[in-house]
Amino acid sequence: AQKITQTQPGMFVQEKEAVTLDCTYDTSDPSYGLFWYKQPSSGEMIFLIYQGSYDQQNATEGRYSLNFQKARKSANLVISASQLGDSAMYFCAMRVFADNYGQNFVFGPGTRLSVLP
Amino acid sequence: DGGITQSPKYLFRKEGQNVTLSCEQNLNHDAMYWYRQDPGQGLRLIYYSQIVNDFQKGDIAEGYSVSREKKESFPLTVTSAQKNPTAFYLCASSIPGVGTEAFFGQGTRLTVV
Repeated sequence: AQKITQTQPGMFVQEKEAVTLDCTYDTSDPSYGLFWYKQPSSGEMIFLIYQGSYDQQNATEGRYSLNFQKARKSANLVISASQLGDSAMYFCAMRVFADNYGQNFVFGPGTRLSVLP
Repeated sequence: DGGITQSPKYLFRKEGQNVTLSCEQNLNHDAMYWYRQDPGQGLRLIYYSQIVNDFQKGDIAEGYSVSREKKESFPLTVTSAQKNPTAFYLCASSIPGVGTEAFFGQGTRLTVV
């Protein structure tokens, strides 16, 4: 069964420092996509970054980078130079084929990040 | 602007009533999804649809129903059979392919009074 694990319920980081949010995944499908979303207190889901299972290089988007270790089935999100506006819930998600009916998204439980001034 | 619109933003329901949450997208996406989020928790899949007039149950479909009569619309009905419906509901859409992200609406917060 496909599953996403995020073992850090909450994290604190000092403003301007870097922080790593952990994500491990489980799937037997060789083709999958890994995503990170940010959810501020308003509730909207903001897409941050994507990594494909066949991608050789780690994905980067501005201050966000994804540390992809395929053998360990981990896809950690690294946020560099944290800002106060980064305080939010962060969800790791995986997209895989779902029982011959298209593709589905599986989400982890999330990590609440608090950036301290 | 293209996007997903959920309405209403806040919804109050009396026990025993059915309510319908609206989700409309103008992104021309084939796939649409409904998720439930409880406080401090992740997203759990209720129903999803890959094409018009077809949909599949997700992990927590009991007490919910959906329809997909138009590509743009995927309404969710929370029936009186749903034991604990108070939650935040998110609708999403996407195009096919494991490499494409889901686009989300702003969510509907349902409270049973």
